Amino acid sequence: GAGVSQSPSNKVTEKGKDVELRCDPISGHTALYWYRQSLGQGLEFLIYFQGNSAPDKSGLPSDRFSAERTGGSVSTLTIQRTQQEDSAVYLCASSRTTSGAYEQYFGPGTRLTVT
Amino acid sequence: AQSVSQHNHHVILSEAASLELGCNYSYGGTVNLFWYVQYPGQHLQLLLKYFSGDPLVKGIKGFEAEFIKSKFSFNLRKPSVQWSDTAEYFCAVNAAGNTGKLIFGQGTTLQVKP
Repeated sequence: GAGVSQSPSNKVTEKGKDVELRCDPISGHTALYWYRQSLGQGLEFLIYFQGNSAPDKSGLPSDRFSAERTGGSVSTLTIQRTQQEDSAVYLCASSRTTSGAYEQYFGPGTRLTVT
Repeated sequence: AQSVSQHNHHVILSEAASLELGCNYSYGGTVNLFWYVQYPGQHLQLLLKYFSGDPLVKGIKGFEAEFIKSKFSFNLRKPSVQWSDTAEYFCAVNAAGNTGKLIFGQGTTLQVKP
């Protein structure tokens, strides 16, 4: 595709429910990153993928958060038993490789609101 | 741990004024440095980046930034801002040779008055 796409664009869920957020990276980009943008916390790294493997999950805030990537393409971020503090904009980015020398292209984000 | 600090959280300027946004990072090794911009209702996009070489880098829309290694700084500048520069600006650092993972500053909201 022309850019990174994310779905849904907005998600409102009740506390305790599970949610799945999807990211479609730019075709051919092997590296995929998830970040979270929230008030007071700014932009935080969550996890990255090189191909289908996730060598660095250090940013995931708790074991309620998980992510997978299949076929070296689409990635899904899952939040189980959502809490109000999970409310944020979840951003996905992709780049050619994980070398920092390559620009990361960001998607529009998914705005998650936990009520 | 790496961290990035942006000194100005909210800046208000009139058109044609000069802009300088401060960014300092903490990391002892070699770094790649970035400025990203988020215009209202749009995605984050890259303004400019520094990897090596000339510490003065030029980006899109007349922006430039200077890497001063001794000060661990990467300040963003523009000689004359326009109303269309109203946006949120993020400084980011990546530890060179690392995974490409970006550490972002808190962001600076720039409001340019016409």
